Amino acid sequence: DAGVTQSPTHLIKTRGQQVTLRCSPKSGHDTVSWYQQALGQGPQFIFQYYEEEERQRGNFPDRFSGHQFPNYSSELNVNALLLGDSALYLCASSFTSGKNIQYFGAGTRLSVL
Amino acid sequence: AQKVTQAQTEISVVEKEDVTLDCVYETRDTTYYLFWYKQPPSGELVFLIRRNSFDEQNEISGRYSWNFQKSTSSFNFTITASQVVDSAVYFCALSSYNFGNEKLTFGTGTRLTIIP
Repeated sequence: DAGVTQSPTHLIKTRGQQVTLRCSPKSGHDTVSWYQQALGQGPQFIFQYYEEEERQRGNFPDRFSGHQFPNYSSELNVNALLLGDSALYLCASSFTSGKNIQYFGAGTRLSVL
Repeated sequence: AQKVTQAQTEISVVEKEDVTLDCVYETRDTTYYLFWYKQPPSGELVFLIRRNSFDEQNEISGRYSWNFQKSTSSFNFTITASQVVDSAVYFCALSSYNFGNEKLTFGTGTRLTIIP
């Protein structure tokens, strides 16, 4: 049983560019959440998708947007990249009735130069 | 607003010693979930345990045990007879119990190093 998979593993971009990160949830899971983890910090919640809609959002600007597809996979898009967007981006999946146990992927390490 | 505090930034112990990681939380919710995750150098957060706020029974799983005390808003994690493989960053997290409000609020983590 495959766990949560994220791609790419690493990414280098320059300021002002746009980036798309991808996530495939664990089999049987229907909810996907995205988190940003800066170096030495705990993960910060970006948003959560359920039934292809954004259900909850954290304190992130509109430059951060997402999408969930009918197969429950998800994308995170970041526009107009800033140096401060450099971080590990973690995707987590869960099952709606699974009492909110979120399982995480290995993340995408984004470096903005 | 929810908040999780892990005051211990780094802890080092010699292998086979017991170690306790502290977690204190704040929430206005009357029902909530508490979690512990482990983050090894690979970066993936590994789920360890989830507790409901209305179940204060302590739990033991092998060398791991958790002490939940609602009166002091604490959810501490103890590793007994530590091993080198326990070296990682450990995060405590909190979420609402309500459907649709499931974001995890994490602490800043405790880096645990087990010295052989």
